[in-house]
Order: sequence, then structure tokens, then C-alpha cells
Amino acid sequence: GAGVSQSPRYKVAKRGQDVALRCDPISGHVSLFWYQQALGQGPEFLTYFQNEAQLDKSGLPSDRFFAERPEGSVSTLKIQRTQQEDSAVYLCASSRGVAYGYTFGSGTRLTVV
Amino acid sequence: AQSVTQLGSHVSVSEGALVLLRCNYSSSVPPYLFWYVQYPNQGLQLLLKYTSAATLVKGINGFEAEFKKSETSFHLTKPSAHMSDAAEYFCAVSDRGGYQKVTFGTGTKLQVIP
Repeated sequence: GAGVSQSPRYKVAKRGQDVALRCDPISGHVSLFWYQQALGQGPEFLTYFQNEAQLDKSGLPSDRFFAERPEGSVSTLKIQRTQQEDSAVYLCASSRGVAYGYTFGSGTRLTVV
Repeated sequence: AQSVTQLGSHVSVSEGALVLLRCNYSSSVPPYLFWYVQYPNQGLQLLLKYTSAATLVKGINGFEAEFKKSETSFHLTKPSAHMSDAAEYFCAVSDRGGYQKVTFGTGTKLQVIP
């Protein structure tokens, strides 16, 4: 597609519920990143994929967070047993190389109540 | 590890005035540097990037930034502010090697006063 598409745009989850956030990157972009942006903060790195390989997951805040990109295209970020501190905007970005910069999606705003 | 520091979480300028948003970086090797803009309820959009020898970088919407190695700075400027420039601006840094993880600053919210 022309841009990075994320769904849903908004998600309200009850504490303890599992959620799945989807990212559809630009076709042909091998690199895919997930970032978490808390209110009033800059984006914080969560994880990185090169094609289907998850090369860095050092930013995932706990083992409740899991990401996958099984066919090297669409990626899903899953959060199990959501907590209030998980409330944030989750941004997905894809790139064909850092020198080109990232292209970001519009994000998914997760609110845990 | 590389990092960036943005000075001033909020900046106000009058319409038509100079915009100056400050960013200092920390990196053990010459980095790649970026400025991104974020409008409300939207993702980040790349404004400009420094990736080569040209130290003055021009971007979209009339913005430019100058890489100053001696000052470890990459400040963003625009000669004349428009109302439409009101947004949040993020400075970011990446190593040239490795897999290219980008680290963002905490952002500067720009207010343009009519």
C-alpha cells in the first residue's frame, strides 16, 4: 500500500483482557519497528523485525508483550492481561533502510480501564 | 548508546517569526540525525534527515537543520512560522551501522500565536 496502516485506531480494553494490534507496512519494506508512545512523551522502542526475523525485542516491557511477523509483511503486537500502565499509543513504522528514515502509521491508541 | 536531548518542551512563536527548536545528540560515532513532526492524533512524519557530508539539510515545509559536530547539535529552524506549523517536533538519532534503531527525544510542542 501507499502508507503504513494500523488497526484498530482506538482500542479500549478492560484490565486483564488480551489485545492484538495490527500493522500493515509499506510493500517491500523489510524493516519493521514497533514503538510505544505514552502521553506527552517521545516514542520508545519496543521491537524490530527484518523480514520475518525478530532481531531485537529488548524494548518489550514485560513478557506480556509479544510481537510476530510470520510472513515478513503484516505484523501483530499482542499484549496479554493488559494493565493500566499499558495505556499508550502504539506506533508501527517500516523502512527500506535507516538513511531513508521511517514511515510511521497513525498508531493505535490503547486505553486500559 | 546514542541519545538526543531536546531543550524546551514547549516553544511559542508569533506567526511570521523565526522558529528555532534545539536538539543536542550524544553518540560515540557520527550518527544519522532526523527531525519528525507529529500532528494531533497522527503518526510521525519525517521532516528532514542528516545522513551525509552536507551539514545543512533542507526538509519539507520550509524547515532546515544544521549538523554541528563541534557542538553536537542539530537544531531545527524555519525563517517564518505559519499557523499550520503548530505541532510536536521530535529529534531522533541512529547509528550508521547495525540494524538502524532510531532513538527519539522527548519532543517540543510548538505553538504559533497569530
